Amino acid sequence: QQQVKQSPQSLIVQKGGISIINCAYENTAFDYFPWYQQFPGKGPALLIAIRPDVSEKKEGRFTISFNKSAKQFSLHIMDSQPGDSATYFCAALQERQGGKLIFGQGTELSVKP
Amino acid sequence: DSGVTQTPKHLITATGQRVTLRCSPRSGDLSVYWYQQSLDQGLQFLIQYYNGEERAKGNILERFSAQQFPDLHSELNLSSLELGDSALYFCASSPTVLGNTEAFFGQGTRLTVV
Repeated sequence: QQQVKQSPQSLIVQKGGISIINCAYENTAFDYFPWYQQFPGKGPALLIAIRPDVSEKKEGRFTISFNKSAKQFSLHIMDSQPGDSATYFCAALQERQGGKLIFGQGTELSVKP
Repeated sequence: DSGVTQTPKHLITATGQRVTLRCSPRSGDLSVYWYQQSLDQGLQFLIQYYNGEERAKGNILERFSAQQFPDLHSELNLSSLELGDSALYFCASSPTVLGNTEAFFGQGTRLTVV
């Protein structure tokens, strides 16, 4: 119930291509879905987030698509760049439960020049 | 730089020992969160403190404890260490109590238990 399943585990994309990472959850009480980006040796950094009353959110080259009925959400990185190479984590949270973010297992993205 | 400071960056210790990890949150942030990151378990929420009080608890072992001091810095104490405790430990902070909606992570403490 508390799990967030993320796929793929790793992804290789050519520069300029679209990177797509998918996540699925079970707990319908989750009400906040962030994506984090982590570079080697650094902590995760919030990239973009969405709430379940919205089906899509776009910030620059990053877009979250949210399908409430399917309990799935995905991150799309348009025009992927080598600098986007990092590990991406989806997460879910029940805000009234405080800071207990449930993370997916992570996707290691490599963008080839 | 997230503004969250964790010390030390690296720690090597023997099984059975006790260590303390320290976190200074961003200026003005009242919530502090601790996470453990390991290859097999991924990123796991351990515990949250808000303005000195425990607010949420995750899969934190009984051998582990945390506290938040009046100056808002936090410490995570790990005792009777086992090889399996080797991991990256992250602290995050946010101004609110309700969730990590604005949380910023520190660079982590890499703990190696030998």
